[in-house]
Amino acid sequence: AQTVTQSQPEMSVQEAETVTLSCTYDTSESNYYLFWYKQPPSRQMILVIRQEAYKQQNATENRFSVNFQKAAKSFSLKISDSQLGDTAMYFCAFMNRTSGTYKYIFGTGTRLKVLA
Amino acid sequence: KAGVTQTPRYLIKTRGQQVTLSCSPISGHRSVSWYQQTPGQGLQFLFEYFSETQRNKGNFPGRFSGRQFSNSRSEMNVSTLELGDSALYLCASSLGQGSSYEQYFGPGTRLTVT
Repeated sequence: AQTVTQSQPEMSVQEAETVTLSCTYDTSESNYYLFWYKQPPSRQMILVIRQEAYKQQNATENRFSVNFQKAAKSFSLKISDSQLGDTAMYFCAFMNRTSGTYKYIFGTGTRLKVLA
Repeated sequence: KAGVTQTPRYLIKTRGQQVTLSCSPISGHRSVSWYQQTPGQGLQFLFEYFSETQRNKGNFPGRFSGRQFSNSRSEMNVSTLELGDSALYLCASSLGQGSSYEQYFGPGTRLTVT
């Protein structure tokens, strides 16, 4: 069975600094997708960034980038120039497609606080 | 396009009662997934519906059930509520087929069981 592990329950970073959130996963599949979702306090969960496992190039979305290490089954999220609005719960998620259906597995989340 | 909506946003129920939560997906989306979110447990997958059929199911007891209507709206029912059912229940919609796999989440229904 696939699993997703986020080993950092809480982190903090100074505004304008860079922070990296860790995520490891376990799967025997070769074709899958990885995501980072952000859930601000009392607000809706939104997709931050996605990575297809077959792509070697690391995904980047503005200040957000990932370090995808397929062999190590690691998928970390780097937030550059942290802003107060980045304060949120961040979830790493794994998705694979089997028999035409999609199955998502989420980690337990990392609570990030950006300090002024 | 309107986003995913969930009603009600907050609910307080007593042990033993039952509850029904509703989710309206983004227009055109045919897949609706339900998750239970609790502190320390993250998001636990409940089930997924696609075109009125349950396509995937997580490891939850039979007290948790759902259905999907022809307009893709979905409902989740929890019978014989227990204190441990207190959680934020999220639904997420997606096109659910082909290469369109992104999920869009609703704001959630916060259920408190006393």
